[in-house]
Order: sequence, then C-alpha cells, then structure tokens
Amino acid sequence: GNSVTQMEGPVTLSEEAFLTINCTYTATGYPSLFWYVQYPGEGLQLLLKATKADDKGSNKGFEATYRKETTSFHLEKGSVQVSDSAVYFCALLYNFNKFYFGSGTKLNVKP
Amino acid sequence: EAQVTQNPRYLITVTGKKLTVTCSQNMNHEYMSWYRQDPGLGLRQIYYSMNVEVTDKGDVPEGYKVSRKEKRNFPLILESPSPNQTSLYFCASSFELANTGELFFGEGSRLTVL
Repeated sequence: GNSVTQMEGPVTLSEEAFLTINCTYTATGYPSLFWYVQYPGEGLQLLLKATKADDKGSNKGFEATYRKETTSFHLEKGSVQVSDSAVYFCALLYNFNKFYFGSGTKLNVKP
Repeated sequence: EAQVTQNPRYLITVTGKKLTVTCSQNMNHEYMSWYRQDPGLGLRQIYYSMNVEVTDKGDVPEGYKVSRKEKRNFPLILESPSPNQTSLYFCASSFELANTGELFFGEGSRLTVL
C-alpha cells in the first residue's frame, strides 16, 4: 500500500541553523509529493510540492527534491527563523484523489 | 473571504449519540475531503468527494458516513460514536486537485466521545 514515513520530532534548532526533515514514501505508480505546514491552532497549509521525479519544490526558503531512486522528499532550509516553528507534514497524492500524510514533525526554533 | 468552515469546533458527546460535523466552502471547489488527526499517526483520510453525489472511502472510513448533495457542503456523520473516534477532525477542499495538489483546510473540530 501507499505510505509516508517522516522523522520523529520534536526537532529543536537555534535561529539561523540549517534544517533537514527526512521523508520517505512507498507508493505504486507516480505520486505527487508535498510538504504541508501546520501552525498552532490552525489547519494545514501547502508549503511546497513536486509532481515528478527530480522536480524541486521551493517556497519561503524551504526546498525539497523528489528523488525517485531513494523514494525520498526531504525538506531543507538554510537558515530557520523563530516564525518557522510549526508542525511539518510530508504527504503524497495518489491517483489524483487520495492523500497519505506522514505523522508530522514538530519544529521548535529558539532565538 | 475564501474559507472552509467547520462546525462545531469543539464537541463532547457520549457513546452512541449520533452527531454531524458540518463543512462548508465558499470557493466553488469540486474536491472535498475529511481527515482525522491523531498523535503519532498524522492525518488519515476518512472520505473524499470528487464532485456532487460522488463520494468514496479513504483509509479509515469505518464508523463514518458522508454525503455531498451540494457542491459547497460535505457533512461528516457519526451514526453511533465510540470513544476511539475521539480525535481532531479536518475538512479540506481543492480546486483542480490533479493540477495543484493544494488542499484548503478548515480550522478543525475537536471531538471527544465519552
């Protein structure tokens, strides 16, 4: 079946540190991959996406590359800010109608 | 303002008492879906709807029903709630999901079943 596995948190970093949150997936066919972010008390919102192998999604300084050979979609940011503190979810869209989410990784950024 | 509205936001109920969580979107989106969020499990899809009168099961549909009689509304029905349905529920909608993959989420409904 389809599934998404991401690193457990929480991840605690100092401001301006480098961030990596690992995500791997299992899927049949060619899913689209996403990172969603959830700020406290809110619903999720799309951060970035990639629809095919070797695509790089980017937004607000975050990046992730769709690696089919390693079935991975790791999230990176070169310099995190306190305002990046949130829960990050890796997700895949299968058959253009079913979403599968990872368990979420909480990021705490300290000043 | 474009939004997805869920009601109620918080509810405490008892086992077996039927309840409905409403979801409404004002963006003319064709795709709508329901998720539950549980610690350590992330979001799991309950049901989704590609358009009016078209619904299908997600990963965890047991104990839930949905209907899509109008484009804007997609209520989630718990006919006989049980304690294992205590969770945080999110409704989401999308325009051209196949192209954008972008879901617009409501603020969530926290349900406790005693």
